[in-house]
Amino acid sequence: TQLLEQSPQFLSIQEGENLTVYCNSSSVFSSLQWYRQEPGEGPVLLVTVVTGGEVKKLKRLTFQFGDARKDSSLHITAAQPGDTGLYLCAGHLVNAGGTSYGKLTFGQGTILTVHP
Amino acid sequence: DSGVTQTPKHLITATGQRVTLRCSPRSGDLSVYWYQQSLDQGLQFLIQYYNGEERAKGNILERFSAQQFPDLHSELNLSSLELGDSALYFCASSATLGRVAGGPSDTQYFGPGTRLTVL
Repeated sequence: TQLLEQSPQFLSIQEGENLTVYCNSSSVFSSLQWYRQEPGEGPVLLVTVVTGGEVKKLKRLTFQFGDARKDSSLHITAAQPGDTGLYLCAGHLVNAGGTSYGKLTFGQGTILTVHP
Repeated sequence: DSGVTQTPKHLITATGQRVTLRCSPRSGDLSVYWYQQSLDQGLQFLIQYYNGEERAKGNILERFSAQQFPDLHSELNLSSLELGDSALYFCASSATLGRVAGGPSDTQYFGPGTRLTVL
């Protein structure tokens, strides 16, 4: 059972289209990160959201953290071929004691392909 | 370039063998994390060390062990290798223990990974 359910698993779109990737859980996270990974490389952090309801923008990318800190979304406006890659959400779980450990729990990832 | 280095880049070995993967964290980072990435399981946390001490453990197999040395580099030892151990192994580092979520010093920087193929 995946603690972080990411959808869709695959996304193939044309340049200029908008898209949204979702990351959902029944568990509460103290923070959520979005990473992008290129083939043969390690994940690279795009953004961290920590406050319920928080919205962060990074150029054409908009990230949102759910009010209950159980879900997050990544929205890309006017996608470009350079956006192609594997997008991963990851988070620090809040344990029963209310503290968060260093380990990250990852979603399965979304493979995005943007065609020219 | 994240500043985290991993060696070797590729490793091909046979079932039953033992291998050691090496990771050097970013300068000044005290935490080292090991992750395994496979097609069916995705990225899975294995273990975390902070300043030489084990601090968090994931679903790491008993055949796997790790340590962090006084110079803060870390090694992941995989023994009695099975076909299913073939995967990408990533090391990440952060400045802190990672208990205070969201701060810049908690950011985990990933290395380029070691691709392990067990034949």
